[in-house]
Order: sequence, then structure tokens, then C-alpha cells
Amino acid sequence: GAVVSQHPSWVICKSGTSVKIECRSLDFQATTMFWYRQFPKQSLMLMATSNEGSKATYEQGVEKDKFLINHASLTLSTLTVTSAHPEDSSFYICSAGDRPLYTGELFFGEGSRLTVL
Amino acid sequence: AQKVTQAQTEISVVEKEDVTLDCVYETRDTTYYLFWYKQPPSGELVFLIRRNSFDEQNEISGRYSWNFQKSTSSFNFTITASQVVDSAVYFCALSDQGGKLIFGQGTELSVKP
Repeated sequence: GAVVSQHPSWVICKSGTSVKIECRSLDFQATTMFWYRQFPKQSLMLMATSNEGSKATYEQGVEKDKFLINHASLTLSTLTVTSAHPEDSSFYICSAGDRPLYTGELFFGEGSRLTVL
Repeated sequence: AQKVTQAQTEISVVEKEDVTLDCVYETRDTTYYLFWYKQPPSGELVFLIRRNSFDEQNEISGRYSWNFQKSTSSFNFTITASQVVDSAVYFCALSDQGGKLIFGQGTELSVKP
């Protein structure tokens, strides 16, 4: 079946550095991918919708300059946390679908756990 | 606006008990999709079921069953004869056709031996 892969699975970085997380659709093309963030013991919150070839659409309250999203190809979206701070420590997870939901499926990556020291 | 409510934050049961996790949703869309995911401590989301708004048939898969009732906007999940391995956080989620999910707050299920 279709697979979405994230890399890295976990990352530890120093405060002030930038971290890039990749989300790949391995055997299908995804014009749209979604990025979610999950703080410990909390639910998953949608951060942004990543659109291939155009700007991402951010949810209210998400800083677009801090969380840079690039969807340069039909199989890859990247989330860059710029100038990371300890409060950015979280679990980041992406999802992608191979078609609209009335005919297709939705797949999640394994997630990436970010710890900012 | 879309919203998903899982009123039960934590549930603790003893092995072999049946347990029902509640999910209530709000949406103005006529076409929508409902999901249940399991999230073990490792963090990955394990897909359990997806239902579209036009299919109100209840579903059973092994020890799992789901009750979808549009009249009450509910999509409840029952585990029969629970096992320790069922311990996890369970999320109910709602989506439009585009695939953007709105998650409930999650219910942490603890099954004790």
C-alpha cells in the first residue's frame, strides 16, 4: 500500500538553530500534504496545508516565518523550524493522500520528535 | 466550523472488560469523513477505520466495532474483551474531501491485567 515517510524520526538541536523535517510519499504523488503538531499529552493540531508548486496555507496562530514549508515536488514536502526554541519541542507529523477522499486514502508519516535544548 | 469532541480524557478498565470511547462531531458539510486512530507510546498513528457521511452502517472488525449515528452526530468506538495491548491514546477525527483532519482531544485508554 501507499506509504508516507518522514525523516528524521527524532532530532535534538540547540536553541537558535534551524531544523528541517522531510515528508515523502514513496509510491504516489501528492499535490497536497498536511503538517500537524502534537505537544505532549495533547491532540494533533493542523499547522498548515502544503501545496505543490505554491505557497503553503497556514492555520490561524501558526507563524509562517518560523515554520517554513516547501513542497517543491509531488513527492516531497519539507518543514523547517527556524531559530528553534525549547517551546518548539514537539512531535511533528505529516499526512498525504493519493486522491481526494471520496476515492482515495489518507496516509500518515511516522512522525518526527523534535527536542530543542 | 468543524469540531470533534471526545469527552473522555482517560478511561481505565480491567482486561476482558468491554469499553466504549465516545466521539461527537460538528460540521456543516454534507459530505465528510470520520476516522479513528490509535496512537501507542511510540507516537505513530495507526489507522483503525474511516467512514463517509453517507454510510451509516455499523462496522465490526474483530474485537472492534463502531456505531455511527448521524442523528446524534456521534461515531463511537467499542472494544470488546479489552486486552493490555489495547492501551493507547485513541483519536477520533473529522475531514472534508480534501483530507484536512480535525482531531478530537483524544482518549487515553489504560487496560490493566
